[in-house]
Amino acid sequence: NAGVMQNPRHLVRRRGQEARLRCSPMKGHSHVYWYRQLPEEGLKFMVYLQKENIIDESGMPKERFSAEFPKEGPSILRIQQVVRGDSAAYFCASSLAQGGDSPLHFGNGTRLTVT
Amino acid sequence: EDKVVQSPLSLVVHEGDTVTLNCSYEVTNFRSLLWYKQEKKAPTFLFMLTSSGIEKKSGRLSSILDKKELFSILNITATQTGDSAIYLCAVVPATSGTYKYIFGTGTRLKVLA
Repeated sequence: NAGVMQNPRHLVRRRGQEARLRCSPMKGHSHVYWYRQLPEEGLKFMVYLQKENIIDESGMPKERFSAEFPKEGPSILRIQQVVRGDSAAYFCASSLAQGGDSPLHFGNGTRLTVT
Repeated sequence: EDKVVQSPLSLVVHEGDTVTLNCSYEVTNFRSLLWYKQEKKAPTFLFMLTSSGIEKKSGRLSSILDKKELFSILNITATQTGDSAIYLCAVVPATSGTYKYIFGTGTRLKVLA
């Protein structure tokens, strides 16, 4: 009865490198969301995906950030050319139905540190 | 702008105490309010509230929503050290995507033995 699985738990990247964060939703869930938690701030919505489709990416920076949820495999949040301001905890969540109808279930997060 | 404000920011109590955590909100077209418990990992879902005045209860935790005054409270009775965590409140708007939770910054609760 696995929950939302994220890896890695911790990721250290130097400025300019790429970061790839992975998320496998709960079994039976086809709705995936990425949130970011900056220090001393609340979680902020980034992107909502269903299998092979980006439904809403309005919370994601237009440059350097991308997300996908392929037919097979986990959802990936990709950050290219990382900068120090990207250091944060990135949480993935999944739900059975679209978020407002059933609560989001979060993974343990990936803590990204950019040096 | 939609926002959620939680108070207090942090709280230290002793085992056995009762605590009340507050969440006030301003949101256009409210749909629901959720409480989560965040330890050193995943925020864990506690309650989803949609109607005023109906208390949700789970063991020593309970929560209620007041849609007129735009706030919710989370009560924890007979606190235990395992209740130490950050408690997050999130509001879901009825428009602009019901998955765009608006989170507060949380209340950090520490329960001393």
